[in-house]
Amino acid sequence: DTAVSQTPKYLVTQMGNDKSIKCEQNLGHDTMYWYKQDSKKFLKIMFSYNNKELIINETVPNRFSPKSPDKAHLNLHINSLELGDSAVYFCASSRLTADNEQFFGPGTRLTVL
Amino acid sequence: QKEVEQDPGPLSVPEGAIVSLNCTYSNSAFQYFMWYRQYSRKGPELLMYTYSSGNKEDGRFTAQVDKSSKYISLFIRDSQPSDSATYLCAALGAGGYQKVTFGIGTKLQVIP
Repeated sequence: DTAVSQTPKYLVTQMGNDKSIKCEQNLGHDTMYWYKQDSKKFLKIMFSYNNKELIINETVPNRFSPKSPDKAHLNLHINSLELGDSAVYFCASSRLTADNEQFFGPGTRLTVL
Repeated sequence: QKEVEQDPGPLSVPEGAIVSLNCTYSNSAFQYFMWYRQYSRKGPELLMYTYSSGNKEDGRFTAQVDKSSKYISLFIRDSQPSDSATYLCAALGAGGYQKVTFGIGTKLQVIP
């Protein structure tokens, strides 16, 4: 009965590699998000999709490319990984209602060596 | 200046104490205010939300918003060791596609 799931949970990779993180939600929500939580625990939005359409695109390097094949999935592909990309990446989903209650996944801890 | 400011703590209290967690914000357009709780190595989960100014109570938790001073508070009564977590305040504007802006989170430890 997992609500928002992410794979993998942990990702350790070398600088310069390309990697992907997958996210799926079974809540029937129409909006999904990617957040980055850095070492200082600051949670910052990166992207948001509503019904497969990009609606929020914060100032993120274009090495990061989200893809939403359907409204239950939002994947994140990262090219040419850098040391500063090390963080925990959270996927979230919500209905597009005024209060915007977001349900978060367990996070993917990315370490770039 | 961050749009939502929060003291990262850590804050240590004895079991049974009343805990007061606070945030300030700068964006007058914010209308919805939330508190998320994040246990170690887990994703945040919504604890409470309020619309505009006022109080909201849920069990041992009370959220307060004072829009005139741009101040958000969360009170925890009879704190328990299971309340030990990081508490993130968050705010959201009204209308259209809005992004939720989070504070940095306050780490709370309730000591048995």
